[in-house]
Amino acid sequence: DTAVSQTPKYLVTQMGNDKSIKCEQNLGHDTMYWYKQDSKKFLKIMFSYNNKELIINETVPNRFSPKSPDKAHLNLHINSLELGDSAVYFCASSPKARTAPDGYTFGSGTRLTVV
Amino acid sequence: GESVGLHLPTLSVQEGDNSIINCAYSNSASDYFIWYKQESGKGPQFIIDIRSNMDKRQGQRVTVLLNKTVKHLSLQIAATQPGDSAVYFCAETFHGANNLFFGTGTRLTVIP
Repeated sequence: DTAVSQTPKYLVTQMGNDKSIKCEQNLGHDTMYWYKQDSKKFLKIMFSYNNKELIINETVPNRFSPKSPDKAHLNLHINSLELGDSAVYFCASSPKARTAPDGYTFGSGTRLTVV
Repeated sequence: GESVGLHLPTLSVQEGDNSIINCAYSNSASDYFIWYKQESGKGPQFIIDIRSNMDKRQGQRVTVLLNKTVKHLSLQIAATQPGDSAVYFCAETFHGANNLFFGTGTRLTVIP
């Protein structure tokens, strides 16, 4: 059983399209995150939800909209995709918002390529 | 073999040698530091952590050293194996923060 699963694993799409990435965790955690990893492997937090409530919203274009229908799911919708959105997007979860970092579990990533 | 943090993101070592991966951090309020390993096609995995009230912590084949005076963190891997080939990240956080702040990764390649 995969603890944090993301779909799709790969996504290739044209500029201007709208796409969604889904994340689900079966760990019973309260908090979920979206991180973006660029081509230089730099990982940056984008959003965090704690029990369906948005608690972190970093400086991200408003074309990116997270949605958490329940605490086990955190989806990321991206409108009007741009070339610069190409990256690997990681979902993660932790038991609570200020959990010790060894409690973070990451998904295996979604590689988004915008052409 | 040894990397010089942000300016040398690639480190190649011979199998069996020890590896040292360095990381500089800038936030003096950070009080908790973590090393993650990211293998190709996978998400980061926790390796070892250290709190700011310690300067050294050992795990299985790994040791983390923390020098708060110069804001420097290092990960030492003993007897490096091919399975250690990955990108290694340091991350930091502080009391009250809701997330981790990752440093630039270092790619470790183990030569058989």
